Amino acid sequence: AQKITQTQPGMFVQEKEAVTLDCTYDTSDPSYGLFWYKQPSSGEMIFLIYQGSYDQQNATEGRYSLNFQKARKSANLVISASQLGDSAMYFCVYKGNQGGKLIFGQGTELSVKP
Amino acid sequence: EAGVAQSPRYKIIEKRQSVAFWCNPISGHATLYWYQQILGQGPKLLIQFQNNGVVDDSQLPKDRFSAERLKGVDSTLKIQPAKLEDSAVYLCASSPRPLDQETQYFGPGTRLLVL
Repeated sequence: AQKITQTQPGMFVQEKEAVTLDCTYDTSDPSYGLFWYKQPSSGEMIFLIYQGSYDQQNATEGRYSLNFQKARKSANLVISASQLGDSAMYFCVYKGNQGGKLIFGQGTELSVKP
Repeated sequence: EAGVAQSPRYKIIEKRQSVAFWCNPISGHATLYWYQQILGQGPKLLIQFQNNGVVDDSQLPKDRFSAERLKGVDSTLKIQPAKLEDSAVYLCASSPRPLDQETQYFGPGTRLLVL
């Protein structure tokens, strides 16, 4: 079965600095997708970035980039120039070829300090 | 474009009572998901619909939980009877198709507290 691991329960970062949130996964699926979602304290789940397993380049979306290392089965999220509004829970999410089921990691709670 | 709508936003019930949650997905989205998120954990898929058919309900506790999507649009999730361990946020999500690269869009969730 597929498994997503986020080893950092909590992270602190100074405002305007960059931060990396770690994610590793375990799968034998030939193709799959990896997502990062942000969940602020208000509870909504906000899509940030997507990486397909066959994508040649690492995904980027504004201040978010995904450091995808397929051989190591890691998909770390990099947030550049952190802002106070980035304080939230971040989930690494796996999606295989089973027809849409998302498998969430345990989450990393990011706190941005002024 | 309107997002995924859910109601109610909050619900407090006593154990052994029943409760129902409603979800209206983004217009045109064929796939609808219900997730349960227990405090401090990531969401867990309960059930997935493709139009009005069930694709995956392997993690739905069928002795107490039921869900339907009769006309392939909005959906209802019911718990009867509720247990203390059902206290969680119930998230509804939708996507156009269940393909690998399709993003799922989430509603605001319903926070359930069972006393």
